[in-house]
Amino acid sequence: ETGVTQTPRHLVMGMTNKKSLKCEQHLGHNAMYWYKQSAKKPLELMFVYNFKEQTENNSVPSRFSPECPNSSHLFLHLHTLQPEDSALYLCASSQDPAPSGNTIYFGEGSWLTVV
Amino acid sequence: RKEVEQDPGPFNVPEGATVAFNCTYSNSASQSFFWYRQDCRKEPKLLMSVYSSGNEDGRFTAQLNRASQYISLLIRDSKLSDSATYLCVVIVNQGGKLIFGQGTELSVKP
Repeated sequence: ETGVTQTPRHLVMGMTNKKSLKCEQHLGHNAMYWYKQSAKKPLELMFVYNFKEQTENNSVPSRFSPECPNSSHLFLHLHTLQPEDSALYLCASSQDPAPSGNTIYFGEGSWLTVV
Repeated sequence: RKEVEQDPGPFNVPEGATVAFNCTYSNSASQSFFWYRQDCRKEPKLLMSVYSSGNEDGRFTAQLNRASQYISLLIRDSKLSDSATYLCVVIVNQGGKLIFGQGTELSVKP
């Protein structure tokens, strides 16, 4: 059982659709993250939020729009995606925004397929 | 040069075999090192931290070679359940980002 839950676990969307991924953490952490993992590629950090404020955006295209209404919830709004955006999107959280490898907790991920 | 580089494999080994993975990193200032395990279609989970003096956890041994800038993971007496992708993670500075390797796939066969 994970302290970070993501929904939906699987999503198939067309290039003109608008959808959202949701993440919720039950660990009382202050920082939350979105990572992208494409096939055979390393995890890429997309966004970092600390106390609901975005502190990092790693040159992510605007078709990905994050939202963090509070420290426990994080959304990734998706709009006019491309097939190459198909990937596993992982949410993570940590107590502070500079986690070590043993203080960051990942959700199970949302598998996104863009058709 | 990639910041963190791993042999993607797959490594196909029989049960009971010993298998070793290496991971090289490009930034000599890197300070913290970890091995994660990721099962198929699941999230990465911390397997073990890597300490300068090397460390062991049951059948798993992790080592750091700062001079050559690589870390290694040795798995002894492989089990079917060890089949997974093993990710190398490096942090350059205290408070810096986690930098992931692409992972090495291990398949343990009966």
